Amino acid sequence: DAKTTQPNSMESNEEEPVHLPCNHSTISGTDYIHWYRQLPSQGPEYVIHGLTSNVNNRMASLAIAEDRKSSTLILHRATLRDAAVYYCILCRRALTFGSGTRLQVQP
Amino acid sequence: SQTIHQWPATLVQPVGSPLSLECTVEGTSNPNLYWYRQAAGRGLQLLFYSVGIGQISSEVPQNLSASRPQDRQFILSSKKLLLSDSGFYLCAWEGQGTSYEQYFGPGTRLTVT
Repeated sequence: DAKTTQPNSMESNEEEPVHLPCNHSTISGTDYIHWYRQLPSQGPEYVIHGLTSNVNNRMASLAIAEDRKSSTLILHRATLRDAAVYYCILCRRALTFGSGTRLQVQP
Repeated sequence: SQTIHQWPATLVQPVGSPLSLECTVEGTSNPNLYWYRQAAGRGLQLLFYSVGIGQISSEVPQNLSASRPQDRQFILSSKKLLLSDSGFYLCAWEGQGTSYEQYFGPGTRLTVT
């Protein structure tokens, strides 16, 4: 299965943009790029997904490199409620969760 | 709108005892259903998935089993729990024909003592 690589942790200040990177150099042409986030003691929450083009929704934006070997989740204005573990996942049949990036947001 | 329920929310069971965790989905038909486990401080591990009634695929060999007796009901079971079965168990559903967006339930925290 194709794997993803994310930094273990990142910090941001409240109301500043956050760029969460993800490398997926072995991605195949049919893999969707999904992002989920998980708050403590809760199940993961779907954030956004894309295939080739950049995507925007009410929660975030997803920027996908032209060669699709990397992507970046963008939170435009971080809030304290955005503090969570963010998972970048390549999806074929089921989601394979790695260890993700723990995002800390400072007030 | 669709909702997903799991119960119980927490469970403490002795080693060797049986287990039954239930997951139900409302507001959708013929969903794909998934069971995941998250050990403390770790990522999620896919245990089972089902694309229809009675159709179960196992991802990891273990002493757990799953069943789907109804379209929107998914059950995780064990005949004899091990200490290593402790963890956070999550059920998720996925609509047919979507690009694999999954929606998770609130989870069951199982402690095997």
